[in-house]
Amino acid sequence: ETGVTQSPTHLIKTRGQQVTLRCSSQSGHNTVSWYQQALGQGPQFIFQYYREEENGRGNFPPRFSGLQFPNYSSELNVNALELDDSALYLCASSLGTSGVQETQYFGPGTRLLVL
Amino acid sequence: TQLLEQSPQFLSIQEGENLTVYCNSSSVFSSLQWYRQEPGEGPVLLVTVVTGGEVKKLKRLTFQFGDARKDSSLHITAAQPGDTGLYLCAGARANFGNEKLTFGTGTRLTIIP
Repeated sequence: ETGVTQSPTHLIKTRGQQVTLRCSSQSGHNTVSWYQQALGQGPQFIFQYYREEENGRGNFPPRFSGLQFPNYSSELNVNALELDDSALYLCASSLGTSGVQETQYFGPGTRLLVL
Repeated sequence: TQLLEQSPQFLSIQEGENLTVYCNSSSVFSSLQWYRQEPGEGPVLLVTVVTGGEVKKLKRLTFQFGDARKDSSLHITAAQPGDTGLYLCAGARANFGNEKLTFGTGTRLTIIP
């Protein structure tokens, strides 16, 4: 139990639709990172937010966007869904007070299926 | 593109046997983490190694960071069915203020009772 929750747990969408995934970080954690984990693969970094500002982005197109709120919740939005967006989406929170060795606590993920 | 390659990709062994999982990269990382992920859950951190050549032990699990900080290994002694899961290595780089993790391809381990 990491104290990080995500909703919904599962979601089915069709191509071209838009989706919003939600994450609730541990209280006091200023950093949230989002990852995409395709079936049989390791997680791929999408982006990170620190105190409501984007603080690093992976190799994902602009139709992947995010928001972080002062109440330690955050959203991942994906527009114009494609079949290849089907994956487990993970958020991870951390304190955000230092760099290298900070522990990230992962939520259970949202499994998205795009038909 | 995965910068961290794990081997083997799949491993199925009998309870009580020993095993080693490898994580290799051409890039240098400031630290390397190992996670275990169960079905329907997010990855859970097992250990962080920071210094080249560092060895850490967690009960029956032994983690080693390569001297050049490009590779790592996880050795499990006397494997038990509870060790079953997806093992992921993840490298972090020091030039990020808050760390972006680069994950490996994963090793799916099954321990047969």
